[in-house]
Parts: sequence; C-alpha cells; structure tokens
Amino acid sequence: EDQVTQSPEALRLQEGESSSLNCSYTVSGLRGLFWYRQDPGKGPEFLFTLYSAGEEKEKERLKATLTKKESFLHITAPKPEDSATYLCAVQGPVDDKIIFGKGTRLHILP
Amino acid sequence: KAGVTQTPRYLIKTRGQQVTLSCSPISGHRSVSWYQQTPGQGLQFLFEYFSETQRNKGNFPGRFSGRQFSNSRSEMNVSTLELGDSALYLCASSPATTNEKLFFGSGTQLSVL
Repeated sequence: EDQVTQSPEALRLQEGESSSLNCSYTVSGLRGLFWYRQDPGKGPEFLFTLYSAGEEKEKERLKATLTKKESFLHITAPKPEDSATYLCAVQGPVDDKIIFGKGTRLHILP
Repeated sequence: KAGVTQTPRYLIKTRGQQVTLSCSPISGHRSVSWYQQTPGQGLQFLFEYFSETQRNKGNFPGRFSGRQFSNSRSEMNVSTLELGDSALYLCASSPATTNEKLFFGSGTQLSVL
C-alpha cells in the first residue's frame, strides 16, 4: 500500500533560520510527488509537482527536491508569513488517487 | 475565476443523523475529489468523481457516499453519523483526471455530538 511519512511533525524556527522538511514515500512506480501548503481554516494550496529523481522546483524561499525514496522541502531565510502546515502527497501508477502525508507544522518566530 | 466553493462552512449534528455536504468546483473542472481531515489521521481520500462517475474510492465504510451532477457539482453524504466522523471535509477539483494539481475549497467543519 502506498504510504507517505513526513518529518518532523512540527518545527519552530527563528526568522531567517533555514531548514528542510522531509517526505519519505513508498510507492511502486511514482507518477508524481506533490507539495501543498495549508493555512489554518483553509484548504491546501498547491506548491510543486515533482516527477522524477533529481528534479528540483523553486518558488520564492522554497525549493523542493526528489530522490527515489524521499523528497525535501528546503526553506531558505524563512519569514513569519511562511508559517503553515506543509503537506506532501504522492500519486501511484495504478489510478489517479493522491495520497497525503500528515504534514509538518512550521512556525517561524519573528 | 471563482474558486472551489463548499457549503455549509460549519455543521453540528448528533449521532445517528445523516448529513449532506456540497461542493461546487472551479468552472470547467470535471474531476472532484473528497478528503476527510482530522488531527490524528491527516488528509484521507474518500472518493473521486469524473463526469458523474465514481473513479476511485478510499477505505471508508459504506455510510460515506457521494455523487456528481451533470454540471460537475458534487455532494457527499454521511449516514448514521458517529462521533468519529467529526472532521474537516475537503473537496478538491481538477481540470483533468490526472489530478496533477488539485484546487481545494476551504472545507466543511463537521462536529458530531
């Protein structure tokens, strides 16, 4: 069964303190790995799609990378407005179901 | 372009009752997926509809059902509510069945007392 595990569950950083969030997955024949951001009281918002090992995507202070077993979301010099829950999800080859991890709650202190 | 709209925003029900939640996808999007989100389990896939047909189903009991109308609007129904059904129910739409990018609504917060 496809599984997605995210770590850490929660992370507190000082403004400007760079770090990485991890997403480990087990799926045979990955079709796509996705990162979403979710703010309190809102639905998740799409950030990136990665398709193959070695691929990288960037958006402002965020960079997502992908290996054959895991993905990292690197956040460089974060600001308080980057505080949110970051969700990782995978899509396997058999159907189009998107399976989500439980997320990492990121809190950036000013 | 209007986003995904879910109604109602909040709902309080008692055990044993049934509930219907509504989702209007982004105009032109034909795929609608439903997810249950709880603090302990995170986002769990319920089902997906495309062109009024259920394409995929998650591991939820038969008390959870859904449908999609010809205008792509979707409803999900939960019968015989249990305390454990308390959750945020999220709807997401996508322009195609590949679901490469999901657009989520703000959800319906269901509380079962």
